[in-house]
Amino acid sequence: GAVVSQHPSRVICKSGTSVKIECRSLDFQATTMFWYRQFPKQSLMLMATSNEGSKATYEQGVEKDKFLINHASLTLSTLTVTSAHPEDSSFYICSAIRPPGAPYNEQFFGPGTRLTVL
Amino acid sequence: AQKITQTQPGMFVQEKEAVTLDCTYDTSDQSYGLFWYKQPSSGEMIFLIYQGSYDEQNATEGRYSLNFQKARKSANLVISASQLGDSAMYFCAMRRWDGGATNKLIFGTGTLLAVQP
Repeated sequence: GAVVSQHPSRVICKSGTSVKIECRSLDFQATTMFWYRQFPKQSLMLMATSNEGSKATYEQGVEKDKFLINHASLTLSTLTVTSAHPEDSSFYICSAIRPPGAPYNEQFFGPGTRLTVL
Repeated sequence: AQKITQTQPGMFVQEKEAVTLDCTYDTSDQSYGLFWYKQPSSGEMIFLIYQGSYDEQNATEGRYSLNFQKARKSANLVISASQLGDSAMYFCAMRRWDGGATNKLIFGTGTLLAVQP
């Protein structure tokens, strides 16, 4: 199946610093990627849709100036948490849709990045 | 508004037995897709099975089958012959089809399955 990677898998940072998380589709080109956030023992909440070559589309309630998304190429999307605070600590997961022709248009998920802000 | 409901926060099942994880959904769309994902403690989301709203037959993938009852808006996951490695969080999700521009997934709250030896 399709492979999506995330880097780093785990990051600890100080409050006030910015953290960048990378999401890569390794064996296919993805014009659309998604960023999710998951708090402990809770469900995945969609934060934004990342579109290659255009601005990301953010879900209601997600601060676009705090969570900067850049879809620089067909295989890479980045999420930057700016001026991170302890309440931003969470599990961030990206996903990508394989090009048309793939069955179900299912999303392939990365392994996730656990962010801890001290 | 679209919504996915999983009413079982946790389930126990004996190894080698079958288990059903419940999922109901709410949508006014005629075209939609339903997914089940498995999330082990490591965190990655593993795709298990898919059911399209127009599919007349229930989907099956190995030990996984989806009991799709469209009129009741339910899409329960059945795992047969449970294995210890099936212990994980299971999420039901619905994709809204809007002509292909986006494929957003809405997730349920999940069911934590524990398989006992």
